[in-house]
Amino acid sequence: DIQMTQSPSSLSASVGDRVIITCRASQSISTSLNWYQQKPGKAPKLLIHGVSTLQSGVPSRFYGRGSGTDFTLTISSLQPEDFATYYCQQSFSAPPLTFGQGTHLELK
Amino acid sequence: EVQLVESGGNLVQPGGSLRLSCAASGFTFSIYSMNWVRQAPGKGLEWISYMTSDTKTIYYADSAKGRFTISRDNAKNSLFLQMNSLRAEDTAVYYCARSVQWYFDVWGRGTLVTVSS
Repeated sequence: DIQMTQSPSSLSASVGDRVIITCRASQSISTSLNWYQQKPGKAPKLLIHGVSTLQSGVPSRFYGRGSGTDFTLTISSLQPEDFATYYCQQSFSAPPLTFGQGTHLELK
Repeated sequence: EVQLVESGGNLVQPGGSLRLSCAASGFTFSIYSMNWVRQAPGKGLEWISYMTSDTKTIYYADSAKGRFTISRDNAKNSLFLQMNSLRAEDTAVYYCARSVQWYFDVWGRGTLVTVSS
């Protein structure tokens, strides 16, 4: 199974900050990496697929980079609605499809 | 509007069974692969099961093998998850999710399953 590890597990930031969340795979997953945003009590929402392709309607302040085993999600200028938990997920090999443990982004 | 609506979650005793349903609307359900993903209280996301549009390929997480069965009715735009021999650790919100190339582009709101005596 491919293990996905995110860092940090939690992050405090302010509106307007630039934040970077990292996701590392236990083996190469090429560019098969996806990011989701989840707000409390809500379903996850797809933000980015294939490392860097923004899902329709997702603001351009979100962008993803990486390949192989190391990936990042950057939010260029945090907005109030961005405070949420973010998950990475590998779509390289199944079963199983695996997620990172999540990064909780909170307001400083 | 593309929508998935889960139902069937409930309080069930350990060892019991439950059948979850997911009703799809706003898209051609019969051409998409579908999944169940769960989230235990305060925990992360765990993929549980996958089924192709033609039902020919099915995958399960190890935690679900031998106890859970995924199925679908394309004529009724519905996905199902039969869960048997339930354990306390199966307590979670269960989400139905549409997949494209192994990522999940549409999610339902989820249905809560609580396994407790």
